[in-house]
Amino acid sequence: ILNVEQSPQSLHVQEGDSTNFTCSFPSSNFYALHWYRWETAKSPEALFVMTLNGDEKKKGRISATLNTKEGYSYLYIKGSQPEDSATYLCAFLSGGSYIPTFGRGTSLIVHP
Amino acid sequence: EAQVTQNPRYLITVTGKKLTVTCSQNMNHEYMSWYRQDPGLGLRQIYYSMNVEVTDKGDVPEGYKVSRKEKRNFPLILESPSPNQTSLYFCASSPGTYNEQFFGPGTRLTVL
Repeated sequence: ILNVEQSPQSLHVQEGDSTNFTCSFPSSNFYALHWYRWETAKSPEALFVMTLNGDEKKKGRISATLNTKEGYSYLYIKGSQPEDSATYLCAFLSGGSYIPTFGRGTSLIVHP
Repeated sequence: EAQVTQNPRYLITVTGKKLTVTCSQNMNHEYMSWYRQDPGLGLRQIYYSMNVEVTDKGDVPEGYKVSRKEKRNFPLILESPSPNQTSLYFCASSPGTYNEQFFGPGTRLTVL
C-alpha cells in the first residue's frame, strides 16, 4: 500500500485568513492526484484532478498546485469563510494501478 | 439529477447475518467502487469494477463480495458480517479509471 500523507491533520483559522495544506505522495510512477472536499454528514466531492507536473488549478478562492518530481501538492484557500470548514482529502493514483490511495485528510475549521 | 444512491443509509445487524448494501448511479459511468472509512484512516478501497462483469479487489477485500450485472448497479455483499466490518461505507462512480469520483451518501454499518 502506497504512502500518502496529508499535513497538518487539523487546522483552525479565523474568517478571512488564508491557509494552505499539503499532500505528499510517492514521486515515482505518478499518474494523477485528486483533491476532494468532505463536509460533515455529507459525502466527498471532487475539487480538482491534477495530472501534469506544474499544474495549477483554481476554483473560486481555492487553488492547488502540483509537483510530481518531489511528490507533493498544495491546496490554498484565500480569505477562508466558515462554509469552507470541511475535511480536505487527496487521492494519489499511480500508473498501472486502478486503486486510489487516499490520505487521512486535513480537517479545516474556520471560525467566524 | 446526476447522483449515486446507496441503501440502506444506516444498518445495525448481528454477526453472521448476510446483508447487501445496494449502490446505483444514473450517470452511465463505467467505473464503480466501494470504500470503507474508519477513524484515523484514509478511505480504503474494497472492490472496484471497470465495467459490467469486470470486478477486481481493492486494498481491503476480505469478507466482502461484489457483482456488476448491470452498468448502473454495484451491490456490496457481506456473506457473514463480523464486528470488524463495522464502518462507514461509500460507493463511488466515475467515467473512467483515473477520473474524479462521485460518491454516494454513505452507509453506516454496525455489526454486533
